Amino acid sequence: QKEVEQNSGPLSVPEGAIASLNCTYSDRGSQSFFWYRQYSGKSPELIMSIYSNGDKEDGRFTAQLNKASQYVSLLIRDSQPSDSATYLCAVNRGSTLGRLYFGRGTQLTVWP
Amino acid sequence: DAGVIQSPRHEVTEMGQEVTLRCKPISGHDYLFWYRQTMMRGLELLIYFNNNVPIDDSGMPEDRFSAKMPNASFSTLKIQPSEPRDSAVYFCASSLLSLISYEQYFGPGTRLTVT
Repeated sequence: QKEVEQNSGPLSVPEGAIASLNCTYSDRGSQSFFWYRQYSGKSPELIMSIYSNGDKEDGRFTAQLNKASQYVSLLIRDSQPSDSATYLCAVNRGSTLGRLYFGRGTQLTVWP
Repeated sequence: DAGVIQSPRHEVTEMGQEVTLRCKPISGHDYLFWYRQTMMRGLELLIYFNNNVPIDDSGMPEDRFSAKMPNASFSTLKIQPSEPRDSAVYFCASSLLSLISYEQYFGPGTRLTVT
């Protein structure tokens, strides 16, 4: 079982819609959860972090965490073409200090 | 504040040549990570350091790969000899480990092409 799994996509949504990106993780000891955005040809950019169960909102982005289900998601409201990118989920592991485990990413396309 | 700095940004070399990639982490960060990204394998962790000490190099693909961190502000990843299958984008990232946060910040990457 992989440490972090994401729907590979691609996910395609119209402009203005809500894009929902999902991620599951295997280690129940995980405490830190992150979403990175990676534009084509660029490096991963940290856009959201979440540490407690529930929702965390930042502008059009909402991260949701459910530790009981080992599930973390990212919602993008009012999606824009500029949101088109690959989104990487990253999780720490309770037994390993410092390191993050990354999913393969979900490619999102927002069409006008 | 300056982010993670990597050089060179692009490297084209012939098979068999030595390649050295360089990284300057964010000042004050105590963790440094080297990743490789390809379409086939995604983002792979090669090695990471804590306070200049290598912690886990199990991701280093072969003995041809080596990494050093002589001080807190500089690290190198060396491939000798290089092979075409080493062609990838190599990222360096750094972080400052706090009680719960493992936020990592990536450099712009080095795109390596081995012909």
